[in-house]
Amino acid sequence: DTEVTQTPKHLVMGMTNKKSLKCEQHMGHRAMYWYKQKAKKPPELMFVYSYEKLSINESVPSRFSPECPNSSLLNLHLHALQPEDSALYLCASSPTPIQELNRGAFFGQGTRLTVV
Amino acid sequence: LAKTTQPISMDSYEGQEVNITCSHNNIATNDYITWYQQFPSQGPRFIIQGYKTKVTNEVASLFIPADRKSSTLSLPRVSLSDTAVYYCLVGPGTGRRALTFGSGTRLQVQP
Repeated sequence: DTEVTQTPKHLVMGMTNKKSLKCEQHMGHRAMYWYKQKAKKPPELMFVYSYEKLSINESVPSRFSPECPNSSLLNLHLHALQPEDSALYLCASSPTPIQELNRGAFFGQGTRLTVV
Repeated sequence: LAKTTQPISMDSYEGQEVNITCSHNNIATNDYITWYQQFPSQGPRFIIQGYKTKVTNEVASLFIPADRKSSTLSLPRVSLSDTAVYYCLVGPGTGRRALTFGSGTRLQVQP
């Protein structure tokens, strides 16, 4: 299994809602990542988990709350988002170090989030 | 930080070879060079990775000169389905630079 599975694929939420994005991988990767991508822009790193511990938070607003319940699962909890948070949210996983298997990181298909 | 510079866009025709060059003057000794491809509304996909000289796999070649200050991704005989954004990443095995994306090159392949 060489897939990173993200659910849901699409999400529309109001500014007062609480929702969660889910990411799952079964490749035994010990590094997992969340990215935000706006149209025609590169993916922007948000969080990195290494061995289920948060290792990098790129000064992301607290309305985004990541969680790594186990080595296969990564969640992103959303609360009180703004319309400008509408974007494609990508999850990725990789070995650590990332070059270990010469296959780079694996990305999910993303969740298209619209905040209304 | 090893900032990368790539052309914003490139055009090609089906059947041609495409070379996309990435400049990374401040590359560190423990940095690798990795290229990803991304189609609209999909996650990036790993293409190729290298440290020095030349690397080839079933889809691309990566040329890295001795000073490692640049690299060139070579796509042989492109097809319409190669129309995508190509990102050059330079970084070590762990940490924020391991998977930080630059601006990318938008490749448009024409029939």
